[in-house]
Amino acid sequence: GENVEQHPSTLSVQEGDSAVIKCTYSDSASNYFPWYKQELGKGSQLIIDIRSNVGEKKDQRIAVTLNKTAKHFSLHITETQPEDSAVYFCAASIRQGGGSNYKLTFGKGTLLTVNP
Amino acid sequence: DGGITQSPKYLFRKEGQNVTLSCEQNLNHDAMYWYRQDPGQGLRLIYYSQIVNDFQKGDIAEGYSVSREKKESFPLTVTSAQKNPTAFYLCASSMTGQNTEAFFGQGTRLTVV
Repeated sequence: GENVEQHPSTLSVQEGDSAVIKCTYSDSASNYFPWYKQELGKGSQLIIDIRSNVGEKKDQRIAVTLNKTAKHFSLHITETQPEDSAVYFCAASIRQGGGSNYKLTFGKGTLLTVNP
Repeated sequence: DGGITQSPKYLFRKEGQNVTLSCEQNLNHDAMYWYRQDPGQGLRLIYYSQIVNDFQKGDIAEGYSVSREKKESFPLTVTSAQKNPTAFYLCASSMTGQNTEAFFGQGTRLTVV
């Protein structure tokens, strides 16, 4: 079925280094790809998203790239800080059946740890 | 302020009892979702609803039930048929359509004792 694969499941970096998380999706009709950050015991917050009409989007230290041909998208965090430590989820808006209804399908998450 | 609210934050249940988790939103969103999160497994979809009085099973619906009598509310009942109910439960809502973000509640941690 339709799914979203996310890698790696855990990522540990030193403060100041960059972190990259990658996701692949299966539905070529997907056009919307959000990234969420979840801190321990809390709900998830949208941090950045990208639509298929662009290949890259940047917001300060966070950027997302999209390759529609290869059906993968990535989250890039530069100059990481300890407060970036959290679980990050990617998602893709996946079409249901052959109709026009879509729902978000999430990757399994990446636990990012930034070591001071 | 608009938002999505889950209650309670922590919930304890005796084995064999049903329990209902509340999820309310005032964002005027048509779609609402319930996810379960276990350590190392990410978010798994239990049920979702895209319109009042209609809902569909997600990937792990067995042992759960939902209702959508009002647009604002999407309660989840964890029944005694759910063999491993201890988990963190997240509710979310969004507008319908292809390019819309989801907003999450703060979650409910259910522990079976």
